[in-house]
Order: sequence, then structure tokens, then C-alpha cells
Amino acid sequence: DGGITQSPKYLFRKEGQNVTLSCEQNLNHDAMYWYRQDPGQGLRLIYYSQIVNDFQKGDIAEGYSVSREKKESFPLTVTSAQKNPTAFYLCASSILLGGTDTQYFGPGTRLTVL
Amino acid sequence: GDSVTQMEGPVTLSEEAFLTINCTYTATGYPSLFWYVQYPGEGLQLLLKATKADDKGSNKGFEATYRKETTSFHLEKGSVQVSDSAVYFCALRSGSGAGGTSYGKLTFGQGTILTVHP
Repeated sequence: DGGITQSPKYLFRKEGQNVTLSCEQNLNHDAMYWYRQDPGQGLRLIYYSQIVNDFQKGDIAEGYSVSREKKESFPLTVTSAQKNPTAFYLCASSILLGGTDTQYFGPGTRLTVL
Repeated sequence: GDSVTQMEGPVTLSEEAFLTINCTYTATGYPSLFWYVQYPGEGLQLLLKATKADDKGSNKGFEATYRKETTSFHLEKGSVQVSDSAVYFCALRSGSGAGGTSYGKLTFGQGTILTVHP
């Protein structure tokens, strides 16, 4: 089955540690996205990528980094510079970056900083 | 910039009641509009979408009509079920202005929690 997988489902981190969230898709989509979801709020865009080896900052990129070495993979690193990293992180992909393409979402990773 | 405003929740209904969740938006150009649903502990699933004015999106008994004159995309369902209990997000995707190209960013409303009781 085609889809988006995120791992792990739950992640705990001590303050001061970097942590990497995995996102893999087998939909052959060019564009991929990372969103952050906080309670009672909508999703906010962290980073997005149109093609391999290219990515752009979204609205709340500070304290985060990404890479796009393969079309299928778009890992997100939450660095120790992120002041309030506890949140639900969602990865998404779409066929292309623009137009009316639907974004499909993974199941999410819940990160908790202890 | 673009923004989406949803009616405040939570919304609590009895099974078979009529549902309306209001959504209004502010955007330049010609955005596409979406409703996503999120079940507890899961990611978002696309529920329906509309890409131009007067389009009606529909799926699983849910409907929403793209109203450019009122900048609205209200979600409706004639008879809700317990299994419809979830969080519903209205979203817009930046449209292409004259000569422009969107980069596909989705702007979300804050979400509306729906609880349906038997």
C-alpha cells in the first residue's frame, strides 16, 4: 500500500539533546512538508521541499533542520535551540509543490521533552 | 497574509443531528479550500476539497461549497454518527495570482472538536 510512514510514534527527549524524526513516503511525490501541531491550534509549517537536495523554511523554522537526500525521505531534526519542542509533528507530501494537489499526511510523531 | 477562521468548539451533538462547522477565509488570488479530519492520536485525512468558486466538495455524507462572495467554506452533514467524532480542520492552499505560482503552503484553521453521543 502506498502511503507515508513516520517513526517513532512517541519520542521522549531530554533537554539539550537533538532528536531526528523520520518521514518516508512511497507515493512517488516530489513535494514534502513538515508541520507542527499544538493543542487547540492549527498546524504550522516548519519546512518544505520541492525536490531532492532542495528545501525551504516555513513559518516556524527556527530550532529545526531538515535534509532531502532521497525523494522518499525527509527527516526533521529538532535541535536543542528549539525552545519549546514538545508537540505533535506531522509530515505530508504532495505530487507537486503548487497547483491544487492534495497533501497527504502521515500518522504523526508525538515528541515530549522531559 | 492568508488566514482561516473556524467556529469555536467544541461541538457536541446527538447521533442523527445536523452538523454545521463554519469556516471563513482571507486570501489573495484564487485559493483551493480543504476540510481535513483528525481522529484521536492520528494524522490528518483529507475529507473533501474544492478548487474554484461555487464548487461543492463531498465525501462520506459531508459537504462544503466554495463561496467566494462570502469567503466561506462551511462543512455540513445531514445526520452525524458517533464515528464522526474527531477534530475537523478547514484549510486553504495559496492560489495562483496573475503570473504567479503558489508554493503549496496550507494555512489551517485552529480546528473544531466534534463529539457525537449515541
